[in-house]
Amino acid sequence: QQQVRQSPQSLTVWEGETAILNCSYEDSTFNYFPWYQQFPGEGPALLISISSVSDKKEDGRFTIFFNKREKKLSLHITDSQPGDSATYFCAASLNYAQGLTFGLGTRVSVFP
Amino acid sequence: EAAVTQSPRNKVTVTGGNVTLSCRQTNSHNYMYWYRQDTGHGLRLIHYSYGAGNLQIGDVPDGYKATRTTQEDFFLLLELASPSQTSLYFCASSERTTGQLYFGEGSKLTVL
Repeated sequence: QQQVRQSPQSLTVWEGETAILNCSYEDSTFNYFPWYQQFPGEGPALLISISSVSDKKEDGRFTIFFNKREKKLSLHITDSQPGDSATYFCAASLNYAQGLTFGLGTRVSVFP
Repeated sequence: EAAVTQSPRNKVTVTGGNVTLSCRQTNSHNYMYWYRQDTGHGLRLIHYSYGAGNLQIGDVPDGYKATRTTQEDFFLLLELASPSQTSLYFCASSERTTGQLYFGEGSKLTVL
């Protein structure tokens, strides 16, 4: 059973629009939720993260909204740019040292 | 800039073959990880390590061995490779206090 679920599988937006990526998780003990961005031919790289004590985290055009009660979170990319075209992975962990559990990813395409 | 280097970047072997994937990090991180990435499965943790001589089992360890020889070097071993192990393999390192994973560029393995 997938511990971390992402939707949609793929998403297409026009330049300047807001892309919304969804994530949900099963294990209520998870307390750290990073989002990783991956471009073709590269390894994933940390984009933004949130802990379970917060309900919102903002970094430039990227914002995480977190709902602990519903075990859901979302990543909003405002003013989307063609350079944001990538696959975005939601991940979760209880203990940093034990590694992250990743979702299957959302492929985002931004057209000019 | 955190650095994780993997080798080889591409490898083709036959069923039953012996493969070693190498990873070196120059971040002075304590933790290192091996993930595999497959379409439809996302990133899955194979093995991880706290430090030299330490090895922990991840979520999909069957058919894989790993060894951490130094703080810098982490190896993934496939002693009897099977076609189901055809995948893109990523090594990563992290510092315990931040949890941020730094990924290498990946090693593509094809088992014929």
